[in-house]
Amino acid sequence: GENVEQHPSTLSVQEGDSAVIKCTYSDSASNYFPWYKQELGKGPQLIIDIRSNVGEKKDQRIAVTLNKTAKHFSLHITETQPEDSAVYFCAASKGGSYIPTFGRGTSLIVHP
Amino acid sequence: DAGVTQSPTHLIKTRGQQVTLRCSPKSGHDTVSWYQQALGQGPQFIFQYYEEEERQRGNFPDRFSGHQFPNYSSELNVNALLLGDSALYLCASSLVSGSQETQYFGPGTRLLVL
Repeated sequence: GENVEQHPSTLSVQEGDSAVIKCTYSDSASNYFPWYKQELGKGPQLIIDIRSNVGEKKDQRIAVTLNKTAKHFSLHITETQPEDSAVYFCAASKGGSYIPTFGRGTSLIVHP
Repeated sequence: DAGVTQSPTHLIKTRGQQVTLRCSPKSGHDTVSWYQQALGQGPQFIFQYYEEEERQRGNFPDRFSGHQFPNYSSELNVNALLLGDSALYLCASSLVSGSQETQYFGPGTRLLVL
């Protein structure tokens, strides 16, 4: 089955800096890659997603890139703010099931 | 537009007991998936319901069962609770349309087994 590796497990940045979280996946058939933000005591919230026919997608301060050949994808957050502090999960899924396999999460801490 | 709702928010049970968790999907969604999230881990897929049938199942024992009602709401039942069942249980809803499904999660039910 699919295996998703996520790094780093913890990321600490100063407010205004950029943050990058990287994920790799094992199943070349995977074609949908969502990113979720989970705040303490809450369920994961979808923040951005990308499909395999696109190499990059941006939404304000958030961007995701996908390299299908290398089977890795990354989340980029620019101009970080304290409210960006949360656990971020990457996931991968494929047509036919669309059941996402999640990474183990990255705890992002943004210091004011 | 109401999002995914789950009840109860917290639950404490003892080993050997049974528990039922409930989920109402996002308005307009017809598919419900259940996940178990242990502390410090990503969500692990338990099973998915569509048209009142279990559509897919992850690597969880038969002690975990579910149901979907005609209004698309769903229940997760866990029998013979073990200490290791302590986790956050998440429900996610989606809509089978086109060729993709995006899942939207509820706030979860935190289960503690003593």
